[in-house]
Amino acid sequence: GAVVSQHPSWVICKSGTSVKIECRSLDFQATTMFWYRQFPKQSLMLMATSNEGSKATYEQGVEKDKFLINHASLTLSTLTVTSAHPEDSSFYICSARRGGQGQYFGPGTRLTVL
Amino acid sequence: AQKITQTQPGMFVQEKEAVTLDCTYDTSDPSYGLFWYKQPSSGEMIFLIYQGSYDQQNATEGRYSLNFQKARKSANLVISASQLGDSAMYFCAMRYNFGNEKLTFGTGTRLTIIP
Repeated sequence: GAVVSQHPSWVICKSGTSVKIECRSLDFQATTMFWYRQFPKQSLMLMATSNEGSKATYEQGVEKDKFLINHASLTLSTLTVTSAHPEDSSFYICSARRGGQGQYFGPGTRLTVL
Repeated sequence: AQKITQTQPGMFVQEKEAVTLDCTYDTSDPSYGLFWYKQPSSGEMIFLIYQGSYDQQNATEGRYSLNFQKARKSANLVISASQLGDSAMYFCAMRYNFGNEKLTFGTGTRLTIIP
């Protein structure tokens, strides 16, 4: 089956710093990737749709200047949490769209901001 | 607006018994897709089963089957012969308006299998 990886799997950072999370489709090309955020014991909430070669589309209420998304190639999308604060601590999951086969999810990145 | 509802926050089931996880949805789009995902404690989202709105038959994948009742707008997941490894969070999700690949997730059901 399709494989999507995320790096790092977990990260701890100080308040005010920026953190970059990578999402890679390992065995297929993905023109569209998605970024989700999941708070403890809650569901996944879509943050943005990442399109290769163009600007990301953000969901209502998501700050695009805080959550920078770059989809520079057909196999890589990055999410940068800028000036992270403790309230940004969450589980971030990416998914990659593979043609008509739906979305394949990465293993997630747990971000803790101290 | 599209909405997914899972009314069971938690369920306990005896090993080897069948279990039904409820999911209802609301959409005005005629074309949509319904998904079930399993999320173990590790956090990864594991795809289980898919049902398209125009599919005539209920989807099945091994021990998983989807009880699709279109008129009632329900898409319940049935797991037969439950196993200890089935203990996890289960999310129902809907993709609406083909071409728009966005997924809307329900709040999830935590399933615990009792030995």
